[in-house]
Amino acid sequence: DADVTQTPRNRITKTGKRIMLECSQTKGHDRMYWYRQDPGLGLRLIYYSFDVKDINKGEISDGYSVSRQAQAKFSLSLESAIPNQTALYFCATSASGQGWHGYTFGSGTRLTVV
Amino acid sequence: QKEVEQDPGPLSVPEGAIVSLNCTYSNSAFQYFMWYRQYSRKGPELLMYTYSSGNKEDGRFTAQVDKSSKYISLFIRDSQPSDSATYLCAMSVQIAGNQFYFGTGTSLTVIP
Repeated sequence: DADVTQTPRNRITKTGKRIMLECSQTKGHDRMYWYRQDPGLGLRLIYYSFDVKDINKGEISDGYSVSRQAQAKFSLSLESAIPNQTALYFCATSASGQGWHGYTFGSGTRLTVV
Repeated sequence: QKEVEQDPGPLSVPEGAIVSLNCTYSNSAFQYFMWYRQYSRKGPELLMYTYSSGNKEDGRFTAQVDKSSKYISLFIRDSQPSDSATYLCAMSVQIAGNQFYFGTGTSLTVIP
């Protein structure tokens, strides 16, 4: 099983619909992140969470919300999807504590809003 | 101006060539410099990271950081078709809680 699992892998939804993307991890990491990836724009941070009671906005949080249901689960919601939210979405995790810690990414969710 | 700039390519080289991938950045507070490799339909995976200036070698891969020029490079020796992927540079300021700033990625194809 993958260390960081994202569901669904692909999703097509209509404008105005609410949609939730889910992320679960078996790494035991405290920190979890949601990024979106767009051609020419790279990876941009949407939200991040350093523990269950900590939620922080990233660079592009408008139109999104998150929920950290447990240490291992971090969900991203689009309350009312719009076409410019069509993108590849990645969840990532990292350890905390002293020293540098890299990210472990999931395989991504390809979301299309029509 | 973006904090991290990376030439998107695409870059196409013959098998066995030396590949040079580069990024520039504007934030002098960046201390950790990373290279991620992303295969099609997969998430990025960490290839190498370095702290501050200098070189780091791992097999066929060498990462180089020049903080005075705000310029980082990844060299791939004896490139293989399996190296065909998108390469993303990333940087972080430790004190900022491990948030990473990514380049847009360079698409590399190694032709057999």
